[in-house]
Amino acid sequence: GESVGLHLPTLSVQEGDNSIINCAYSNSASDYFIWYKQESGKGPQFIIDIRSNMDKRQGQRVTVLLNKTVKHLSLQIAATQPGDSAVYFCAENYNFNKFYFGSGTKLNVKP
Amino acid sequence: NAGVTQTPKFQVLKTGQSMTLQCAQDMNHNSMYWYRQDPGMGLRLIYYSASEGTTDKGEVPNGYNVSRLNKREFSLRLESAAPSQTSVYFCASSGTSRGTEAFFGQGTRLTVV
Repeated sequence: GESVGLHLPTLSVQEGDNSIINCAYSNSASDYFIWYKQESGKGPQFIIDIRSNMDKRQGQRVTVLLNKTVKHLSLQIAATQPGDSAVYFCAENYNFNKFYFGSGTKLNVKP
Repeated sequence: NAGVTQTPKFQVLKTGQSMTLQCAQDMNHNSMYWYRQDPGMGLRLIYYSASEGTTDKGEVPNGYNVSRLNKREFSLRLESAAPSQTSVYFCASSGTSRGTEAFFGQGTRLTVV
């Protein structure tokens, strides 16, 4: 994916509100998508995944929506908590098992 | 169950020095990956290995070599380090089938001066 440079998009939300993080993916042949959470100084951690034959998938407090028509993913976090503060990446898989990552969105949860 | 383990966690190199980053996974995964992450950016794939004995280039392979030593271990070598290789390096592994998540190590923070 294309880099957005040194400044990550930042989403600031109040604790308890819902958060929506968006991602545009690059390849219409991608058939598997993952959202990762990366806390400062750590490696990315799996949050939720979705296959291209689905439009929506729900986990615990998280929902991923997939719109293949416009190549768009979103991650919805319900009742956002301070522990949700992190950088969130979407990743797409279209070439064997190689994963290609977006540039990320920083989520800042205000208490 | 340690998952994916990377060593070292931190390293400072002088320009022109060489070093090898080590990665091991204990999940019996076939696929392993090396990514680099620069400030404010996503992860970019350097090399990957679909199975023991095979490796292939990713998006940014120049200046790097890899070795899939066995099913567990996948190393990344910088033969002649350059300041442009200052980055955080992540190793990851994933299962056999397509469409399985990748598990990441904690990262190696490399500075080349």
